Amino acid sequence: GAVVSQHPSWVICKSGTSVKIECRSLDFQATTMFWYRQFPKQSLMLMATSNEGSKATYEQGVEKDKFLINHASLTLSTLTVTSAHPEDSSFYICSAPARSRGGEQFFGPGTRLTVL
Amino acid sequence: SQQGEEDPQALSIQEGENATMNCSYKTSINNLQWYRQNSGRGLVHLILIRSNEREKHSGRLRVTLDTSKKSSSLLITASRAADTASYFCATDASQGAQKLVFGQGTRLTINP
Repeated sequence: GAVVSQHPSWVICKSGTSVKIECRSLDFQATTMFWYRQFPKQSLMLMATSNEGSKATYEQGVEKDKFLINHASLTLSTLTVTSAHPEDSSFYICSAPARSRGGEQFFGPGTRLTVL
Repeated sequence: SQQGEEDPQALSIQEGENATMNCSYKTSINNLQWYRQNSGRGLVHLILIRSNEREKHSGRLRVTLDTSKKSSSLLITASRAADTASYFCATDASQGAQKLVFGQGTRLTINP
């Protein structure tokens, strides 16, 4: 099946620093990728839609200047959490739909961010 | 905003029993998908059911969809300890954008 990877799988950083998370589709091209955030014992909340070659579309309430998204190629989207604060600590998950599979989405394994 | 509501929020059963989880949603959808998530891990896709389908099977999994009631159910038969996980429904109502909106999830515990 289609595979989506994320890097790093976990990261610990100090308050005020920026953290970049990569999402890659390994065996298919993804013109669209999605970024989700999941707090402990909660569901996934869609943050933004990453579009290859154009600006990302952010969900209501998500600060685009804080969560920078770059979709530079058909297999890579990056999410940069800028000036991270402890409240940004969360599990960040990306997904990509494989159009050849009729809309089925494939999720990355997630990145656990801890901001001290 | 979260479209899906799932019940129960938590379910604990004995190994070998069947587990049923329900999901309700609010708007018309293109498809509905069920995912499993083990604690602290990524999501595993279980089944996709389209709006014109009523039932789908995959191994020990059975999914039904009732678009008139805007609800779906996931049945896991002959449960195993390895089925212990959180289960989420997700709806795609995005007119081709394939945006998924997730329900709150059901935490399933299978007791050996």
